[in-house]
Amino acid sequence: EIVLTQSPGPLSLSPGERATLSCRASESVSSWYLAWYQQKPGQAPRLLIYGASSRATGIPDRFSGSGSGTDFTLTINRLEPEDFAVYYCQQYESSPLTFGGGTKVEIK
Amino acid sequence: QVHLVQSGAEVKKPGASVKVSCKASGYSFTAYYIHWVRQAPGQGLEWMGWINPNTGGTDYPQKFQDRVTMTRDRSISTAYMELSRLRSDDTAVYWCVRDPSGWYYFDFWGQGTLVTVSS
Repeated sequence: EIVLTQSPGPLSLSPGERATLSCRASESVSSWYLAWYQQKPGQAPRLLIYGASSRATGIPDRFSGSGSGTDFTLTINRLEPEDFAVYYCQQYESSPLTFGGGTKVEIK
Repeated sequence: QVHLVQSGAEVKKPGASVKVSCKASGYSFTAYYIHWVRQAPGQGLEWMGWINPNTGGTDYPQKFQDRVTMTRDRSISTAYMELSRLRSDDTAVYWCVRDPSGWYYFDFWGQGTLVTVSS
């Protein structure tokens, strides 16, 4: 199974700053098969990015995804108060589908 | 709008089974796979498998192969996930989720069902 390792953990930032989150895969993942989700306490995760770089419907353009192979990045430009949450990457290159352990973005 | 509405919280004893329902609305139920994902308290996300609502075909990861059964009732646009031989480490929030493309990422999530396994 493909193991996804997310870093750093946690990430302490102030509103207006940029967040850079990393997701490293134990083996190569096609760019088509990497997604990112945001989860707030007590809520279901929300799809942000699929295909490594495509924003889901309704997602603000301050969220962007990039990467290929084994290294992927989620960037959040100009953090808004509502962006402080936990972020998960997910691969769907091969079964079983797996998620990273999450990165918490917290207010500094 | 797309909605996935799940059944309510459950408390079960070890060794019992639980069946969670997921009623879909706002789209064609048979057009999109439904997956199930769970999250133990304070932990990460874990994929449990999918069902094709059109054909009833399923796929489960090896970890759950012998304990999970996913079914559907097309007449009421509802998917079900049954987990048997429950253990304390099955205590988690269980979500049904829609796969918008057949590429196994998830655009709509149910509200979640807390299953507590305790003696």
